[in-house]
Amino acid sequence: DAGVIQSPRHEVTEMGQEVTLRCKPISGHDYLFWYRQTMMRGLELLIYFNNNVPIDDSGMPEDRFSAKMPNASFSTLKIQPSEPRDSAVYFCASSPQTPDTGELFFGEGSRLTVL
Amino acid sequence: AQSVTQLDSHVSVSEGTPVLLRCNYSSSYSPSLFWYVQHPNKGLQLLLKYTSAATLVKGINGFEAEFKKSETSFHLTKPSAHMSDAAEYFCVVSDRGRNNQGGKLIFGQGTELSVKP
Repeated sequence: DAGVIQSPRHEVTEMGQEVTLRCKPISGHDYLFWYRQTMMRGLELLIYFNNNVPIDDSGMPEDRFSAKMPNASFSTLKIQPSEPRDSAVYFCASSPQTPDTGELFFGEGSRLTVL
Repeated sequence: AQSVTQLDSHVSVSEGTPVLLRCNYSSSYSPSLFWYVQHPNKGLQLLLKYTSAATLVKGINGFEAEFKKSETSFHLTKPSAHMSDAAEYFCVVSDRGRNNQGGKLIFGQGTELSVKP
């Protein structure tokens, strides 16, 4: 079975450019999560969706970040304009159950470097 | 509010020796606790979980963890380390509310496990 698929795996861009990260969750999973991982702050939840509807976006750093889930099989995380401090690994995860059950399935991540 | 503290940022063991990765949690309510593993350049994978059933929980790859309420601990152990166990390990608590309703996962800062030949 295919797991969570993220693209691109690596992205290098210059400050001010728009970045779009993509995620395809596991089929049948109703929950989708976007996390950011950095050395300084560890793993942070940015936003999560249930049945394509954003439930909690309190972790989104600022208005430069936006996330969408137009259908059950696709989500995007967009940063516009990007800044060097956005450099991190961004993970998408999906789950068939509510977040507190802890059974998240993670993609391999998108490593973003903003110069 | 719930929180989790991983007491060691890095642990190094020799192959074939026991592994102990320490985790303490803070929770006002009945916590659910988890361990995840992250191999280099990979996503996180669930190792095991505790959800108020048996206090000794067995996971994949020979790992287990024991929930000790009196010590607010959920340490991860393995009797004999293998080279393939080298990875980063995250202790996670579920942020349940007063009504024991579902909430977000709170990740520890991670413990990097090195295994020497």
